[in-house]
Amino acid sequence: GAGVSQSPSNKVTEKGKDVELRCDPISGHTALYWYRQSLGQGLEFLIYFQGNSAPDKSGLPSDRFSAERTGGSVSTLTIQRTQQEDSAVYLCASSSGGSPSYNEQFFGPGTRLTVL
Amino acid sequence: KQEVTQIPAALSVPEGENLVLNCSFTDSAIYNLQWFRQDPGKGLTSLLLIQSSQREQTSGRLNASLDKSSGRSTLYIAASQPGDSATYLCAVAGNTGKLIFGQGTTLQVKP
Repeated sequence: GAGVSQSPSNKVTEKGKDVELRCDPISGHTALYWYRQSLGQGLEFLIYFQGNSAPDKSGLPSDRFSAERTGGSVSTLTIQRTQQEDSAVYLCASSSGGSPSYNEQFFGPGTRLTVL
Repeated sequence: KQEVTQIPAALSVPEGENLVLNCSFTDSAIYNLQWFRQDPGKGLTSLLLIQSSQREQTSGRLNASLDKSSGRSTLYIAASQPGDSATYLCAVAGNTGKLIFGQGTTLQVKP
């Protein structure tokens, strides 16, 4: 079956512009995660959605970052007024959302964001 | 705060060798541990997931062990091949499932 997909694969933007990154999880997966991978910080958790529960936003680095998940499926990560330090690869993962003990996460290919 | 460390940061071996990658974590209250592979410019591929109650998992030439009480996991790769060259990432999950990652071990297997 289809895996996690993300779009665009690459995004180049100018400092100060807003960007939207999209994630399509595996069909039927109720849990969705966003992570960021940058050279200096490695892989960091950003935000987590589980079903209709309030999202866990504890990893968002600033209020310029927000995310939503419509209809329990597709998710959009929005970065407002982008800064050069936002340049990174943004990865999305989904899982079946069952017990965390066997909550295997499956990752998309990522969106490489470059802020000039 | 959970911290995950992977040793070594890089490893180069000749084809055919058996090798061990190490992962340690500071807080033993984990729900699972996952090993991933990442090829350059690509996303993460899940290799193995070990539940907190398990001691090991095997998939083909890969075997991962978990000692939760001592905060350690190892990934054993048997009979390494050039196609195994990649970065291997270890990650632990808390009760929400969100993953805390190590910095990875970059493996090069020389033909």
